[in-house]
Amino acid sequence: EMQLVESGGGLVKPGGSLRLSCAASGFSFGNAWMSWVRQAPGKGPEWVGRIKSRVDGETTDYAAPVQGRFTISRDDSKKTLFLQMNSLKSDDTAVYYCARDPDEFDIWGQGTMVTVSS
Amino acid sequence: DIQMTQSPSSLSASVGDKVTITCRASQNIDIHLNWYHQKPGKAPSLLIYAASRLQSGVPSRFSGSGSGTDFSLTISSLQPEDFATYYCQQSYTVPRTFGPGTKVDFK
Repeated sequence: EMQLVESGGGLVKPGGSLRLSCAASGFSFGNAWMSWVRQAPGKGPEWVGRIKSRVDGETTDYAAPVQGRFTISRDDSKKTLFLQMNSLKSDDTAVYYCARDPDEFDIWGQGTMVTVSS
Repeated sequence: DIQMTQSPSSLSASVGDKVTITCRASQNIDIHLNWYHQKPGKAPSLLIYAASRLQSGVPSRFSGSGSGTDFSLTISSLQPEDFATYYCQQSYTVPRTFGPGTKVDFK
């Protein structure tokens, strides 16, 4: 079964940092482009950013609201995707999902909640 | 950025009804349009990709059409498990963008 499992969410103060992880299983993670998508309470999904596969250069793209604060990386040997979030703001409060991104988001994790509050 | 709009924002329907949701992109996205549904507390789930291709395991009562800027999702006969919020999303370019959603609830 193809599966993604996020972890690392929690409560953090404004200006703080948090690192999310996403463990993949059941598919060829090393060949997959991967994205992070977030969803604030009561709102629709918002794309955060993506990382291409190593063979495609492992380049990253980010949404404007997180550019310069968030960093996406991957460890193909551990089949794990990461999202390093720095300088967190209250607007970053959301459920964060990882998703496989061959073009559409065809596999999603269950999400991990990030709350930014003093 | 490509802006996505959807209509209606919500609709009330009954089991067995035919339901159509439309999505419009702010510029030509060819067929790079995907549809998802989402139930409360769950992750979105892919229904249709590349405008009209049915994702594996999705019932055939779901269909998608369109190209360029105008798209639609049709549910031919609404089932109880279909009451959810539906989102379109363009994958033509980054940033990927979603529509604001259409909530389908019981009449």
